[in-house]
Amino acid sequence: AQSVAQPEDQVNVAEGNPLTVKCTYSVSGNPYLFWYVQYPNRGLQFLLKYITGDNLVKGSYGFEAEFNKSQTSFHLKKPSALVSDSALYFCAVRDQSYLSGAGSYQLTFGKGTKLSVIP
Amino acid sequence: ETGVTQTPRHLVMGMTNKKSLKCEQHLGHNAMYWYKQSAKKPLELMFVYNFKEQTENNSVPSRFSPECPNSSHLFLHLHTLQPEDSALYLCASTNNLTPTGELFFGEGSRLTVL
Repeated sequence: AQSVAQPEDQVNVAEGNPLTVKCTYSVSGNPYLFWYVQYPNRGLQFLLKYITGDNLVKGSYGFEAEFNKSQTSFHLKKPSALVSDSALYFCAVRDQSYLSGAGSYQLTFGKGTKLSVIP
Repeated sequence: ETGVTQTPRHLVMGMTNKKSLKCEQHLGHNAMYWYKQSAKKPLELMFVYNFKEQTENNSVPSRFSPECPNSSHLFLHLHTLQPEDSALYLCASTNNLTPTGELFFGEGSRLTVL
């Protein structure tokens, strides 16, 4: 089974400060990890993904995420937050073990973290 | 613009009405999905179609009826809905022959059941 936890329902950060949105995962094999952003009344937009290789992944709008296998985490970060970054952020995982016939191909999403950037 | 288009964007219907949501993608993807997003709840996967064949139905009530006439189009037919079915319905697509592929989402259809 695969699962994702986003421990914070809401994160508040002042504009210009660094931001972190936390995500931890559980899979039986190796993970493929994804971050999505959702603005009000919109669909989910893909930000970045970790497949293999460098643990630091860079994505859209200046966001990056760090894969930490020992801590089973994939936290989303940005060095300097903008008011326009205020949105709902979702972490998702797919277990590579589905390739061997085990596990699920489907993405499992976390419940989301609401980010508010305060001017 | 993600390449996945959903119509209508907003829909208000009574409990006795019949309506349909439409999703269209021209990304060459072979898998399409319906998700339900309710306030303060996690995303719920409803249906999955691979190469036009339904491969997953996550215990969705029969008042929701999906249809996938081809790999570019996906419908969700709605009838005798309940007020608790009010939600944002999201369509997504991907190429499931690429295991590392992300989902591409439409903008959603906001459904209100009176």
